[in-house]
Amino acid sequence: GDSVTQMEGPVTLSEEAFLTINCTYTATGYPSLFWYVQYPGEGLQLLLKATKADDKGSNKGFEATYRKETTSFHLEKGSVQVSDSAVYFCALSDRSGSARQLTFGSGTQLTVLP
Amino acid sequence: ETGVTQTPRHLVMGMTNKKSLKCEQHLGHNAMYWYKQSAKKPLELMFVYSLEERVENNSVPSRFSPECPNSSHLFLHLHTLQPEDSALYLCASSQEATSGRFLEQFFGPGTRLTVL
Repeated sequence: GDSVTQMEGPVTLSEEAFLTINCTYTATGYPSLFWYVQYPGEGLQLLLKATKADDKGSNKGFEATYRKETTSFHLEKGSVQVSDSAVYFCALSDRSGSARQLTFGSGTQLTVLP
Repeated sequence: ETGVTQTPRHLVMGMTNKKSLKCEQHLGHNAMYWYKQSAKKPLELMFVYSLEERVENNSVPSRFSPECPNSSHLFLHLHTLQPEDSALYLCASSQEATSGRFLEQFFGPGTRLTVL
């Protein structure tokens, strides 16, 4: 079945450091890929998405590129802020690209220190 | 109200109690979802309602009972829960596009449930 594997956390960085959170997936067909962020005490918010190979999703300084050849969707940010401290989830749609059924990774806790 | 709202935000209940969680979406979507988020586990999809049809995860115990009276409201009725049911319960909604694909899901803030 479909699956998403995220790098184990927690990740601790200093402010202005470069961030990479790795995400790889196993799926058939043409899924869409998503990154969600969960701030403390809140639900999940969509951070960015990509619907086909080589698409780059971007938002709030975060970027991720849909790489079909390496089945990856790594999240990057050039300079993190304390306010980016949260849990980040990579997710995969079904094989047709529909988000009716999402498969989530286990989440990566990010802490940014001032 | 905007987006997806959930009430209550926190709930403590005994194993013999009956309670309900409520979710309301103000986005005009036509699909709604219940998820369970436990510590150190991936999000677990419990139920999906799309176009008023219910799709279940067969591993969800019968002590959880969903109800979707219309496309904007979703309930999760709880009875005779166990301590291991303590978790954050998240509601989400999405919209089916004309292509038949469902677009990204939008989540509510969740209900933190503690079962004593």
